[in-house]
Amino acid sequence: DTAVSQTPKYLVTQMGNDKSIKCEQNLGHDTMYWYKQDSKKFLKIMFSYNNKELIINETVPNRFSPKSPDKAHLNLHINSLELGDSAVYFCASSQGYDSYEQYFGPGTRLTVT
Amino acid sequence: DQQVKQNSPSLSVQEGRISILNCDYTNSMFDYFLWYKKYPAEGPTFLISISSIKDKNEDGRFTVFLNKSAKHLSLHIVPSQPGDSAVYFCAASSPDRGSTLGRLYFGRGTQLTVWP
Repeated sequence: DTAVSQTPKYLVTQMGNDKSIKCEQNLGHDTMYWYKQDSKKFLKIMFSYNNKELIINETVPNRFSPKSPDKAHLNLHINSLELGDSAVYFCASSQGYDSYEQYFGPGTRLTVT
Repeated sequence: DQQVKQNSPSLSVQEGRISILNCDYTNSMFDYFLWYKKYPAEGPTFLISISSIKDKNEDGRFTVFLNKSAKHLSLHIVPSQPGDSAVYFCAASSPDRGSTLGRLYFGRGTQLTVWP
């Protein structure tokens, strides 16, 4: 009974392609996040949505576009993939935007060749 | 510009002994600190947290200590068990809701290995 799930778990694709990563949470949380863990292992926030509204938009290329069809889902679409986009992407959720405790999905390892 | 630093990439401890994981931060506005634990191929899971109004928080075998003047926190695990072997991330947040709403700043993690 997974709380925060992501698909796919692994994604291998070529430069220039467009890909999407899906995230779903069944915790009834209002806020969802996307994080990127790069090769140096730093976990950095990319986006945050609260009740389908964008509240955090870090300095990421506009090739990355999050979409939240409802508050249980936050998908990440990436256009024109580049080698530097290779990383592990984690989705997370929290009860509210002012709730510190975040619950993470298992991650999606993206490899761009 | 890393605001949360975990300077030890790895720590190896014998089962039954104490594990001490350290974390330093630079932003004096941080008011809440968390530790997450991560197993391979899984996402980080929340372990324990502490508010800046406290200097210690305990939960079973896990205790977090906060030294605000030194901008330092540590996680103590006593006794350590092989199942504790994982990467431990320190994270911090600030009350500046205007620009850091719901934002956690993470360290790069410390790999703890507990051997029998």
